[in-house]
Amino acid sequence: EPEVTQTPSHQVTQMGQEVILRCVPISNHLYFYWYRQILGQKVEFLVSFYNNEISEKSEIFDDQFSVERPDGSNFTLKIRSTKLEDSAMYFCASRNPGPAGVQYFGPGTRLTVT
Amino acid sequence: GIQVEQSPPDLILQEGANSTLRCNFSDSVNNLQWFHQNPWGQLINLFYIPSGTKQNGRLSATTVATERYSLLYISSSQTTDSGVYFCAVDNSGTYKYIFGTGTRLKVLA
Repeated sequence: EPEVTQTPSHQVTQMGQEVILRCVPISNHLYFYWYRQILGQKVEFLVSFYNNEISEKSEIFDDQFSVERPDGSNFTLKIRSTKLEDSAMYFCASRNPGPAGVQYFGPGTRLTVT
Repeated sequence: GIQVEQSPPDLILQEGANSTLRCNFSDSVNNLQWFHQNPWGQLINLFYIPSGTKQNGRLSATTVATERYSLLYISSSQTTDSGVYFCAVDNSGTYKYIFGTGTRLKVLA
């Protein structure tokens, strides 16, 4: 069964550094998402992306965050200058268009900011 | 915005027992999914169920959209069922999911 993949599985970075989290969505999917989950809390929506542009973003997704689909397969989330509170699990998701479009989640990248 | 509440927050079962997890939401929804977050943190899709009933092996789910709740049934539970169960809803039609706070399930051998 096709699946969403994410790299790296765990990233440790120092405060103020830039990080790029990478995702490979399911190949025929057209809609892409990033969510995050701070340890012990619920999963929160960050941003949705379609047709090479952001469709919707949450209040969390401020100017420090950006997303890009640099080629036909990858979908990236960049955090420009990481803060301690950015430490979380980041999930990428993708779905097919249509009324029964199940959203499939990747395994997540655990980001630790020290 | 829409509120999503799950109950119970915690559940401990003996292997072989059955359970019902509930998800209440405060507004009508366009999309709803149930997920299992395993001990490694992965979110596994269980059901896409904005309405009606579905079954997959020992798991089944029912959403009564008009009454704004969804139920996840786990029968003959196994230790591998342990983890956190989330429901996620979208009421905008854009698949921006709002997750509930989850039910943490522990199944004892």
